[in-house]
Amino acid sequence: SYVLTQPPSVSVAPGQTARITCGGNNIGSKSVHWYQQKPGQAPVLVVYDDSDRPSGIPERFSGSNSGNTATLTISRVEAGDEADYYCQVWDSSSDHHYVFGTGTKVTVL
Amino acid sequence: QVQLQESGPGLVKPSETLSLTCAVSGYSISSGYYWGWIRQPPGKGLEWIGSIYHSGSTYYNPSLKSRVTISVDTSKNQFSLKLSSVTAADTAVYYCARVSIAAAGDSYYFDYWGQGTLVTVSS
Repeated sequence: SYVLTQPPSVSVAPGQTARITCGGNNIGSKSVHWYQQKPGQAPVLVVYDDSDRPSGIPERFSGSNSGNTATLTISRVEAGDEADYYCQVWDSSSDHHYVFGTGTKVTVL
Repeated sequence: QVQLQESGPGLVKPSETLSLTCAVSGYSISSGYYWGWIRQPPGKGLEWIGSIYHSGSTYYNPSLKSRVTISVDTSKNQFSLKLSSVTAADTAVYYCARVSIAAAGDSYYFDYWGQGTLVTVSS
């Protein structure tokens, strides 16, 4: 089955840029989606189709995907961005399966 | 605005069947889309359980396939999850969600989520 690997944690100072990676075999050939999950809350979609943002998501959230790594970038980080972030792909080779990354805890210093 | 709400028992005994329902408002299930269940054990990551199309076609996580049944009731605008022979390892927050398709038609993602419901497996 397809595996997505994320760093367990990323720390960033307010106003700086956070980059969260999602590694997978030839992930650049797949569409990657990103979710933000704050404690005690349901996940929220922040980026879909590698780099598109749902309505209401700030432009500070952006995504890219190439080769074996997809990246979620949070610019001008705010305290409210502190959360867990998960990447996700749809694995068409495995009969319509959805795969989530291991998750990254973003801490705002 | 699409809204989803999970409901069901918060405590299930080992070896019994976990049953949850997801009520959908703001959108008619019979109009289309896939609908899915995802779970998250305490302190751990997200795991896809399975998905169902409005017509009833289902797809399940291979690791759970032998124990999972997902069904849809378009008349009530809801879909349901049954997980049999549960153990403590099935203790988790269970989410229902709507599945959207990527613009290129080559991927799917979850755009609307319920608030989640904690199910504890314990005697």
